[in-house]
Amino acid sequence: EPEVTQTPSHQVTQMGQEVILRCVPISNHLYFYWYRQILGQKVEFLVSFYNNEISEKSEIFDDQFSVERPDGSNFTLKIRSTKLEDSAMYFCASMPYGTGYEQYFGPGTRLTVT
Amino acid sequence: GENVEQHPSTLSVQEGDSAVIKCTYSDSASNYFPWYKQELGKRPQLIIDIRSNVGEKKDQRIAVTLNKTAKHFSLHITETQPEDSAVYFCAAPRAGYSTLTFGKGTMLLVSP
Repeated sequence: EPEVTQTPSHQVTQMGQEVILRCVPISNHLYFYWYRQILGQKVEFLVSFYNNEISEKSEIFDDQFSVERPDGSNFTLKIRSTKLEDSAMYFCASMPYGTGYEQYFGPGTRLTVT
Repeated sequence: GENVEQHPSTLSVQEGDSAVIKCTYSDSASNYFPWYKQELGKRPQLIIDIRSNVGEKKDQRIAVTLNKTAKHFSLHITETQPEDSAVYFCAAPRAGYSTLTFGKGTMLLVSP
């Protein structure tokens, strides 16, 4: 069964550095998402992406964040200048169609900002 | 936006007992309600979902009920087993959008 994949599994970075988290969604899916989960807390929506543009973003997704789909397979989340509070597990998800369908989550990237 | 409240935050049961987790949502136009199971350090995995045109759905030991009038939905696990121990999240989308708002999660502990 196809799965969403994410790299790296764990990223350690210093405050102020830029990081890029990478995701390969399931190949025939059309909707892509980034969520984050701070340790011990709930999953929080960051951004959704459809038809090569952002379709929705949360208040967490400020100017420090950006997303790209640079080719037909990868979907990336960039954090320009990391802060300590960006430390979290970042999940990519993809969905084949519109609302009312299962979102498939990747295994996550644990980001630690020191 | 959508607001999802989930209770209880922790639930301890003996193996073989039933477990019920409840969620309420705020957007009356929401039409899709998934439940995710997350084991420690793993990704959330969908275990069951329900759409607003039905009131109940079952899959073996797991069932979900939906009360649209009261804007709440519940997860029922019967004959619990130790491997059911995990954090369970309910979620709902804002009407017209696909992005999910998650509840705070319920840690279910099933003791042998």
